[in-house]
Amino acid sequence: QVQLVESGGGLVKPGGSLRLSCAASGFTFSDYYMSWIRQAPGKGLEWVSYISSSGSTIYYADSVKGRFTISRDNAKNSLYLQMNSLRAEDTAVYYCASSGSYYDRLLYFDYWGQGTLVTVSS
Amino acid sequence: DIQMTQSPSTLSASVGDRVTITCRASQSISSWLAWYQQKPGKAPKLLIYKASSLESGVPSRFSGSGSGTEFTLTISSLQPDDFATYYCQQYNSYSPITFGGGTKVEIK
Repeated sequence: QVQLVESGGGLVKPGGSLRLSCAASGFTFSDYYMSWIRQAPGKGLEWVSYISSSGSTIYYADSVKGRFTISRDNAKNSLYLQMNSLRAEDTAVYYCASSGSYYDRLLYFDYWGQGTLVTVSS
Repeated sequence: DIQMTQSPSTLSASVGDRVTITCRASQSISSWLAWYQQKPGKAPKLLIYKASSLESGVPSRFSGSGSGTEFTLTISSLQPDDFATYYCQQYNSYSPITFGGGTKVEIK
């Protein structure tokens, strides 16, 4: 069965860095777009970034552009999010999620991980 | 950016009720809309894609309709397991992908 397992969350000071990972199994990881989506405590869902199946196409939300970097390693079935210059407003549960491609009009999220909590506080 | 507005933000209903949630887009998104259900402490679950296509394994009491800028998610007969928060998401635009603010369905 499809599994997405995030790791790497934790408590970090403002201005600090953190790297999130998402380990995928149960499907052909290299065929799918992957995204990071976050949810601040008690708030709604916010898309953060996605990366195409090959890694050649990447987009970011304006709120994280220039601070966060998404990447993937298809040989390791893994997705990453490098988060730098963290702010209090980045505090959230971060989910990884799979989707089809934008060009196939399949950019909705059919599988999600359980999430990893990132807390930015001094 | 395409803004997605859901209404109501909270809905109180009883088991067996027919429930309708509305999602409006700030510009036309054709039928490129998905609906998700989220329970406390859990990841969202895909219910509907392409405005009206039911995801495999989702009960048939869930249905979606609409196109352009106005969409609805209907639960034909609310079940105890359906008390949750529901989100719409547009994928007409390749960036940014945007979600509605959510509708919490509570027990009346």
